[in-house]
Amino acid sequence: AAGVIQSPRHLIKEKRETATLKCYPIPRHDTVYWYQQGPGQDPQFLISFYEKMQSDKGSIPDRFSAQQFSDYHSELNMSSLELGDSALYFCASSSSGISYEQYFGPGTRLTVT
Amino acid sequence: GENVEQHPSTLSVQEGDSAVIKCTYSDSASNYFPWYKQELGKRPQLIIDIRSNVGEKKDQRIAVTLNKTAKHFSLHITETQPEDSAVYFCAASIGGDSWGKLQFGAGTQVVVTP
Repeated sequence: AAGVIQSPRHLIKEKRETATLKCYPIPRHDTVYWYQQGPGQDPQFLISFYEKMQSDKGSIPDRFSAQQFSDYHSELNMSSLELGDSALYFCASSSSGISYEQYFGPGTRLTVT
Repeated sequence: GENVEQHPSTLSVQEGDSAVIKCTYSDSASNYFPWYKQELGKRPQLIIDIRSNVGEKKDQRIAVTLNKTAKHFSLHITETQPEDSAVYFCAASIGGDSWGKLQFGAGTQVVVTP
């Protein structure tokens, strides 16, 4: 079965640079969620989109923005990167018809140096 | 704010024994409670979930119970195997109309020794 796809899988950036993370949900899933997970920590909800509209917002810094496109893929844009942004970034998707069951992608490991 | 507490933080069991992880939540509007298993460096994997209109759900060696009155839910793993070793996260949906926003517990490191 098709799963959530994330790219890139690994990303190394320097402080103050920008990064763009991409997420392709499971086919026919209309909701996308972004999570940030630091080492040894639980996933922290950042933001979610349903049918291309922002549906919920969590602890997402103002330096970050995201959107969902007409093909349901989503991009997380991160600017003015800081050392503390180094983490695993997961995208998850769900179908509003089977509400709430979120399936995670493999994650993007972002390292800021 | 919304809070999910998870205990214990680490759990060591002998192969074949049972493991129990407990979580409590604070948001009375929470109505969906999934459990995720995460191996080191890998994605969280949904292993079982329960909704507020159900008290118990079982899938082979895994079961989850929910007590809405007390606001706690538990994961039970029977006949543990070494491949059950991982970090397990409980989660609760935040707000009744939150489109699935989840608050996670801090995780339980489960180690199954042969």
